[in-house]
Amino acid sequence: QAQLVQSGAEMKKPGASVKVSCKASGYTFTGYYMHWVRQAPGQGLEWMGWINPHSGVTKYAPKFQGRVTMTRDTSISTAYLDLNSLRSDDMAIYYCAGELHNNAFDIWGQGTVVTVSS
Amino acid sequence: SSELTQDPAVSVALGQTVRITCRGDSLRSNYATWYQQKPGQAPVLVSYGKDNRPSGVPDRFSGSNSGNTASLTITGAQAEDEADYYCNSRDSSGHHWVFGGGTKLTVL
Repeated sequence: QAQLVQSGAEMKKPGASVKVSCKASGYTFTGYYMHWVRQAPGQGLEWMGWINPHSGVTKYAPKFQGRVTMTRDTSISTAYLDLNSLRSDDMAIYYCAGELHNNAFDIWGQGTVVTVSS
Repeated sequence: SSELTQDPAVSVALGQTVRITCRGDSLRSNYATWYQQKPGQAPVLVSYGKDNRPSGVPDRFSGSNSGNTASLTITGAQAEDEADYYCNSRDSSGHHWVFGGGTKLTVL
């Protein structure tokens, strides 16, 4: 069955960068958009952007433009989220989510906890 | 506007029907998608498009859209339905997505 498995928890200092990976299995990785969503402690879901794994084309939420980069490696069916200039308010669980049906995030990774602390 | 507005909390008696709503201008041209999230877990898709459910989601969950309002209706709520529910849709530009603030459902 379709599955997304994310990399492990990260602890970073303010100003640093973090890279989270999301490995897809059980479906055609290049056939469906991949989204990234984050959730700060006790808060709601926040959409960060998407990548088309086939073409590499990306679209980012305006809030993250300039600070986020989404890439993919089709040879290993893995998507990546890079977030730089980390601040304390970037502390969150970061999820990848596959859009297998139009406009629906059908499958989700287990989440990656990113802690930002000096 | 690119915002989606949800009531922060809703409660329902066991076995009764509850409607969770989501309002926003983008819903006039986009269907809402609904996700259920239980504590410590990733969100799960429960409704998308014009009242579609993924395999495995009970048929007591149904979605609908009217004007600028989308609704997730749970007919005969069960204890295991207690969770946070989020709506989501493309924004008015069609290029970005936005989530509602979430509704905490309590089953009494």
